[in-house]
Amino acid sequence: DGGITQSPKYLFRKEGQNVTLSCEQNLNHDAMYWYRQDPGQGLRLIYYSQIVNDFQKGDIAEGYSVSREKKESFPLTVTSAQKNPTAFYLCASSPLAGVEETQYFGPGTRLLVL
Amino acid sequence: KNQVEQSPQSLIILEGKNCTLQCNYTVSPFSNLRWYKQDTGRGPVSLTIMTFSENTKSNGRYTATLDADTKQSSLHITASQLSDSASYICVVSSNTGGFKTIFGAGTRLFVKA
Repeated sequence: DGGITQSPKYLFRKEGQNVTLSCEQNLNHDAMYWYRQDPGQGLRLIYYSQIVNDFQKGDIAEGYSVSREKKESFPLTVTSAQKNPTAFYLCASSPLAGVEETQYFGPGTRLLVL
Repeated sequence: KNQVEQSPQSLIILEGKNCTLQCNYTVSPFSNLRWYKQDTGRGPVSLTIMTFSENTKSNGRYTATLDADTKQSSLHITASQLSDSASYICVVSSNTGGFKTIFGAGTRLFVKA
């Protein structure tokens, strides 16, 4: 897991509620990423950020929002517009943005809908 | 369509035995291929990375091979240990002028004593 922390480990969401997942890194990496992992499927990219105050949508951004106000922090908000939020959420970082960079993953947050 | 297919979906082996996991991809243009190990309930950890010109890369008891012509890769685990029980994920990246990284669904390996 390196220097990336995610909290909480488990999170429960009620219908119509927005929830925020925390991701912090002390690796001094410029780039950060959010992925969603569902059983039997590969990780899918939600959002990524190449640098502070900048972020781009990934393949499945609908119903999610992010911010990157600090280099070490990249929180993900799962909004009520995300109709199927139950999944394992993984945050990652890399020294720079780019497919040649190795990504370092956090321990994940499991989100469950009540 | 860019895809990464892994086989088998799951595998059970006895401790001390060898095994080979397969990855086929259709991602183009190709930049690199990585293998990650993911323990249950944890984040993936990088094992190896190979670019187009590399056809083998080792990391301890893990050896990855790449055939860029047939778009196939394998991960060979030698003398398996109980701690090798995990999911192994093949990841292929494309240098198509944007961020394009495709993750396979993984092979779930169970090592039994």
